[in-house]
Amino acid sequence: AAGVIQSPRHLIKEKRETATLKCYPIPRHDTVYWYQQGPGQDPQFLISFYEKMQSDKGSIPDRFSAQQFSDYHSELNMSSLELGDSALYFCASSPGTDNEQFFGPGTRLTVL
Amino acid sequence: AQSVAQPEDQVNVAEGNPLTVKCTYSVSGNPYLFWYVQYPNRGLQFLLKYITGDNLVKGSYGFEAEFNKSQTSFHLKKPSALVSDSALYFCAVRDIEQAGTALIFGKGTTLSVSS
Repeated sequence: AAGVIQSPRHLIKEKRETATLKCYPIPRHDTVYWYQQGPGQDPQFLISFYEKMQSDKGSIPDRFSAQQFSDYHSELNMSSLELGDSALYFCASSPGTDNEQFFGPGTRLTVL
Repeated sequence: AQSVAQPEDQVNVAEGNPLTVKCTYSVSGNPYLFWYVQYPNRGLQFLLKYITGDNLVKGSYGFEAEFNKSQTSFHLKKPSALVSDSALYFCAVRDIEQAGTALIFGKGTTLSVSS
C-alpha cells in the first residue's frame, strides 16, 4: 500500500540557511500534518492543513511556514535555521480530520 | 489543556510473557486515543485507536488496548511478547470537542523484550 513520502530523507544545513521539506500524502488523503521530534523527545505538532487550508497550528516558529498545494502535497519552509532546529520532521496524512494519522519516514535535519 | 502521561520510560519483559504499556490522558471533553510504535530511525506506525464503542480495542500485530473512562487510562497490552516488539511506543490523544486536529503525544515508553 502507498505510504506517505517525505523528501529529502536527510538534510544538512548551516546556521542561518533555509530549508524546504516536502511531503506527499497517501492518495485520497486530504489532510496533512507536520511534527517535529527532537532527540529523545516525543513528536511536537507544528501545523496541519485540510483541503489546502490551514486547519490547526501548534508550536511552529515564526521562521517556519508551510502550505498545501492543489495536488495535496505539502511543503515546510524553514528560514534562519538555528542549531535547535536539528530534529526529525515528520509529515502525516489522513482522510479527513477525524481519522488516524499515517506518518511518513521523516526528514532528519541537521543544522551545523 | 490536553495531556498524555506514560509513567514508565522503559518496560522490560521476557519473550512469551504478557506486556502492558501504561498511558493516562487528560482532556476536557471526549478523547480520541491512539497508540503508535516507532522503530529506530523510522516513522511512527499506527497500532490502534479508540474513538467510541467497545472499550477493548484490537489492533495490529496482536496488540490491544482498553479504554477506561473512570481511570482516564488507555493501556496497551499484548498476551505474549515477541523480541521483535522491542521498540518505542507512544500514546496520543485528541480532544474531539476542541478545535484542532493535532495529536498530543506522551513522552514514549521503550519496550525491551528479551529472549
